[in-house]
Amino acid sequence: SYDLTQPPSVSVSPGQTATISCSGEKLGDEYISWYQQRPGQSPVLVIYQDSKRPSGIPERFSGSSSGNTATLTISGTQPVDEADYYCQAWDTTTFVIFGGGTKLTVL
Amino acid sequence: QVQLLQSGAEVKKPGASVKVSCMISGHSPVDLFMHWVRQAPGKGLEWVGGFDPENGEAIFAQKFEGRVTMTDDTSTDTAHLELSSLRSEDSAVYYCATGLMGATPFDYWGQGTLVTVSS
Repeated sequence: SYDLTQPPSVSVSPGQTATISCSGEKLGDEYISWYQQRPGQSPVLVIYQDSKRPSGIPERFSGSSSGNTATLTISGTQPVDEADYYCQAWDTTTFVIFGGGTKLTVL
Repeated sequence: QVQLLQSGAEVKKPGASVKVSCMISGHSPVDLFMHWVRQAPGKGLEWVGGFDPENGEAIFAQKFEGRVTMTDDTSTDTAHLELSSLRSEDSAVYYCATGLMGATPFDYWGQGTLVTVSS
């Protein structure tokens, strides 16, 4: 089966830059989306098509993709950004795939 | 603005079936590819399946084939997920999710429905 691999956890100090990676063997052929999920809440789309930001998502959220790795970057991280983050891809055989999730801690 | 309102929590015994509903408002449901995603306690997001109202076709994660039915009730603008032969591992929050850019990404999510499978 096709997997997307994320680090289980990332820690960052307030005001610093957080980077969360997502790797998968077919990522070069697919778009990646990123979702933020705060405890007890439904996920929220923060990045789609690798680097596009939906309306209402702060500019400090950005995305990029190169080769088999996609990256979510949060510049000037704020305490409110503490959450779980999931990458997601669409594959023509397995359809929707989620990464295992990364817990972002803002210390 | 699309809004998805899901049905309430369910408690089921092993071997039973559960039906979770997702009422759609703010957009014509016939244009929305509706997906179902679940999250077991303390675990990550897991895609269950999706229903394309344009062609009436359903797609599933392989592990759920044979146990999942997804339907679309156009008279009530409600999507349904039915999961049969429940086991304890099916205990999770089930989300409906959809978007306006095709099959993915998921711009809009329901509030989630907790399904507990316990004897």
